[in-house]
Amino acid sequence: QKEVEQDPGPLSVPEGAIVSLNCTYSNSAFQYFMWYRQYSRKGPELLMYTYSSGNKEDGRFTAQVDKSSKYISLFIRDSQPSDSATYLCATSGGSYIPTFGRGTSLIVHP
Amino acid sequence: GAGVSQSPRYKVAKRGQDVALRCDPISGHVSLFWYQQALGQGPEFLTYFQNEAQLDKSGLPSDRFFAERPEGSVSTLKIQRTQQEDSAVYLCASSPVLAPDTQYFGPGTRLTVL
Repeated sequence: QKEVEQDPGPLSVPEGAIVSLNCTYSNSAFQYFMWYRQYSRKGPELLMYTYSSGNKEDGRFTAQVDKSSKYISLFIRDSQPSDSATYLCATSGGSYIPTFGRGTSLIVHP
Repeated sequence: GAGVSQSPRYKVAKRGQDVALRCDPISGHVSLFWYQQALGQGPEFLTYFQNEAQLDKSGLPSDRFFAERPEGSVSTLKIQRTQQEDSAVYLCASSPVLAPDTQYFGPGTRLTVL
């Protein structure tokens, strides 16, 4: 079992939909939680960062961490075709070196 | 300003050849990371430098993989006697400090071993 599990999708939604992306992790020492967006043939770019449990909102994006169930989520409101990409969750502990999930491919169609 | 650049962007090697992949980090970034991303997978950590010191190489899959950053800026990842299982995208990331939310990734080098 990998330390960070993520459904690869693809997840296909119509424009304007609310998207929910999720990951689970197994190492209770993880305390930093990130979401990266990766477009085709590009490197990942940091989208959201959360420390410990709780919610964080940035525009159309909300990141949620539940450490009790080791579950992390990313919500995208009013999804746009430009949101079509692979979304990678990542976690880290004191070393700050991230462990990534395999990524979920999101397709937002007009 | 310029981001992290990597060269070449694409590399095709015959099995058994040696390859060298280059990373130019953002100027002034002391931390530099290498990751391997297989098709359909997330990036996996290979090694980490702080300035010229290689502080963590626990992710290097075998002794055929070697990384260096001799002057604390440009880094090279070398793979000797390439095997088909080495085919992947190799990503470099740099960071001004060692923190969970400050890594900037390059576009990667796609290595295909025939």
